[in-house]
Amino acid sequence: DGGITQSPKYLFRKEGQNVTLSCEQNLNHDAMYWYRQDPGQGLRLIYYSQIVNDFQKGDIAEGYSVSREKKESFPLTVTSAQKNPTAFYLCASSIGTSERETQYFGPGTRLLVL
Amino acid sequence: AQSVAQPEDQVNVAEGNPLTVKCTYSVSGNPYLFWYVQYPNRGLQFLLKYITGDNLVKGSYGFEAEFNKSQTSFHLKKPSALVSDSALYFCAVRAPTDSWGKLQFGAGTQVVVTP
Repeated sequence: DGGITQSPKYLFRKEGQNVTLSCEQNLNHDAMYWYRQDPGQGLRLIYYSQIVNDFQKGDIAEGYSVSREKKESFPLTVTSAQKNPTAFYLCASSIGTSERETQYFGPGTRLLVL
Repeated sequence: AQSVAQPEDQVNVAEGNPLTVKCTYSVSGNPYLFWYVQYPNRGLQFLLKYITGDNLVKGSYGFEAEFNKSQTSFHLKKPSALVSDSALYFCAVRAPTDSWGKLQFGAGTQVVVTP
């Protein structure tokens, strides 16, 4: 987990509310990623960013939004359009997006719906 | 499109016995393969990866994995399991044809090591 921080550790969302998950890295990595983890389904890619001010949708982007204004930060907003947001959210980063590059993960944020 | 399968939801092993976690993959071209471990309520920790070269890859915490191209497998192994190895293990694959190297994960295998 070293080098990538996620906050908060637990987050509670009310119906119709947008919430933002923080991800910061001090590894000087260009690429950053957001994954969603549900029991028995592995990890699914929500969004990724190869460079500052650029990001692309992953496999399950609906109901989520991101920004990449700084190299070290890649916040994820879970909007009210995401009808089933309860999950464990993991942020990752890598030096680049070459297939050889290893992705390193943060400690995760668990989102629960009230 | 690439895919990866972990055929066992759970593996049970006694401490001191060999541990094997299975992974098979499907990808166009030469695969890039990764193993991660996840402890409860934690992020994923990188264990090892296969890019090219020797089929036997050594990684962290005494783990190793064997790449078998003919069987399209990349099984994770440890000669002598520890109780502290109890965790969720993920295999992942990347295809060289993707412009940005998408990482495709398996569903995970829960390893339980009993004293």
